Amino acid sequence: KQEVTQIPAALSVPEGENLVLNCSFTDSAIYNLQWFRQDPGKGLTSLLLIQSSQREQTSGRLNASLDKSSGRSTLYIAASQPGDSATYLCAVSGASGTYKYIFGTGTRLKVLA
Amino acid sequence: EPEVTQTPSHQVTQMGQEVILRCVPISNHLYFYWYRQILGQKVEFLVSFYNNEISEKSEIFDDQFSVERPDGSNFTLKIRSTKLEDSAMYFCASAPGLAGLEEQYFGPGTRLTVT
Repeated sequence: KQEVTQIPAALSVPEGENLVLNCSFTDSAIYNLQWFRQDPGKGLTSLLLIQSSQREQTSGRLNASLDKSSGRSTLYIAASQPGDSATYLCAVSGASGTYKYIFGTGTRLKVLA
Repeated sequence: EPEVTQTPSHQVTQMGQEVILRCVPISNHLYFYWYRQILGQKVEFLVSFYNNEISEKSEIFDDQFSVERPDGSNFTLKIRSTKLEDSAMYFCASAPGLAGLEEQYFGPGTRLTVT
């Protein structure tokens, strides 16, 4: 059964810092890994999708990498801003031939001005 | 840019009542999903739907739940007799063909409060 874990659970950093969020999964046979942002009480905003054949994806100050064999992904946020404060979720699909997303527990990020 | 829409944004209902949550997936998408997130917890898969039938469902998706695509555009989740523990944010998602290989697009969610 696929399990997705995110470390750290919470992170507080001063504005301007570069930071790394981690996501690990137990079954490496995935199709996709997707990173989301969720503001309190709100929906899921898609940030980056990495397909299994890809190693990384970039969008603006965000860079996500995927190492399937080790069951890990990282989300790198450059030059963090207070507006980046949110919960970041990773989700994987495809383990055991299923298309559903299995979500991680999330990392709650606070960027201090 | 096309997006998944959900109505209502917030639904309050009394325990034991039936509720229907509505979703309009992106046009031409073929795979549809419902997920839920209880406050403070993980987003959990409920059910997937393809070719007018359920393709997969979780243990949560018991006989109290049903899904339907009544008119080719809407995708609904019905809870027959709501319980307090059904209070959660419910997300609808859709994906184009080759669902396992393509991105799922999520709606903004419906917050269901059962009193």
